[in-house]
Amino acid sequence: NAGVMQNPRHLVRRRGQEARLRCSPMKGHSHVYWYRQLPEEGLKFMVYLQKENIIDESGMPKERFSAEFPKEGPSILRIQQVVRGDSAAYFCASQGTGDKYEQYFGPGTRLTVT
Amino acid sequence: AQTVTQSQPEMSVQEAETVTLSCTYDTSESDYYLFWYKQPPSRQMILVIRQEAYKQQNATENRFSVNFQKAAKSFSLKISDSQLGDAAMYFCAQVKTSYDKVIFGPGTSLSVIP
Repeated sequence: NAGVMQNPRHLVRRRGQEARLRCSPMKGHSHVYWYRQLPEEGLKFMVYLQKENIIDESGMPKERFSAEFPKEGPSILRIQQVVRGDSAAYFCASQGTGDKYEQYFGPGTRLTVT
Repeated sequence: AQTVTQSQPEMSVQEAETVTLSCTYDTSESDYYLFWYKQPPSRQMILVIRQEAYKQQNATENRFSVNFQKAAKSFSLKISDSQLGDAAMYFCAQVKTSYDKVIFGPGTSLSVIP
């Protein structure tokens, strides 16, 4: 059973461009969480999605950030008009129906905004 | 609000010795899960150990064990027989209920001295 996949692993964008980060959960997992890790900090929750639904977006910045988890395909975290402060590592975690508490983390996407 | 505190930004230990990393948390829930994650330079989040709050017995995983003091809301990690590969950032984390976001502490950077 493959683990959580994230791509790309590294992404460089110029200020003002769009960044799209993809997350493929473990097989059979229908719960996806996105976290952001700023330099020298711990991970901070951004959004929790189930298939086709956003369950909790309390950690998402109000502007420029959006997330989706369609019925088919990976979950996407989209950042529009990126700024230098968006440079961070973005982690996706997935959770299965039988795993009430444990989340399985992907390797992360390192976004650098130049 | 949930908070997780790690009061030791940096720790060091001699190879083969024992080190304890501290963590305190705040929650009003009676049942929850606590975790220690390791993040090596590769940035992959690796689950080290987990503790269910309703279980009195402290969790152990090989050289890793915890001291869970529920009344004091304390959850420390003990690493015995430290190895060079243990050098990493260690994050204490909490999930308050099923299918919920993980709250991470700020992390402790552990160095292992040969």
